[in-house]
Amino acid sequence: RKEVEQDPGPFNVPEGATVAFNCTYSNSASQSFFWYRQDCRKEPKLLMSVYSSGNEDGRFTAQLNRASQYISLLIRDSKLSDSATYLCVVNRNYGQNFVFGPGTRLSVLP
Amino acid sequence: EAGVAQSPRYKIIEKRQSVAFWCNPISGHATLYWYQQILGQGPKLLIQFQNNGVVDDSQLPKDRFSAERLKGVDSTLKIQPAKLEDSAVYLCASSLGTRGTGELFFGEGSRLTVL
Repeated sequence: RKEVEQDPGPFNVPEGATVAFNCTYSNSASQSFFWYRQDCRKEPKLLMSVYSSGNEDGRFTAQLNRASQYISLLIRDSKLSDSATYLCVVNRNYGQNFVFGPGTRLSVLP
Repeated sequence: EAGVAQSPRYKIIEKRQSVAFWCNPISGHATLYWYQQILGQGPKLLIQFQNNGVVDDSQLPKDRFSAERLKGVDSTLKIQPAKLEDSAVYLCASSLGTRGTGELFFGEGSRLTVL
């Protein structure tokens, strides 16, 4: 079993839709969690960190369930510019050792 | 502030040839990573340095891949001899390490095609 697994995708949604991505991790010692965004043929960039209490950044909401070892990302009111691959990232030791999931590709259609 | 610099951006070689990639991290970042990203997959860690020491190289194919980080700053990743399955983007990233928020900053990557 891979250490970080994500919805296989791709997700094709119309503009304005709400879409949710799921991620599970196998290492219960994991300490910090992130969502990265990767545009086509570009490098990954941090979208947001994921906190135990859940956190929101504009149209984006991230949730963490440590008991179930599950992370989610919700995007509301999807924009064309949200089209990208979303990578779930788990960190085993603060500031060190980042493990990436395979990514879920999102296409927002006009 | 300058970002992570990588070169070359693109490289095409034949199998069994060698190739080297260079990375200059963000100034002051103690931790440097090399990731391999095959098309359609997430980045896979090859090697992680803390200053000029190796923290994790468990997934580095050591029979053909080598990496060094001299003086705890720049790093090079070498592949010799290359195989067809080495075709990928090689991403260098840096972070502040344990003193930081945990954010990784990536370079634009070096895209390798092995024919």
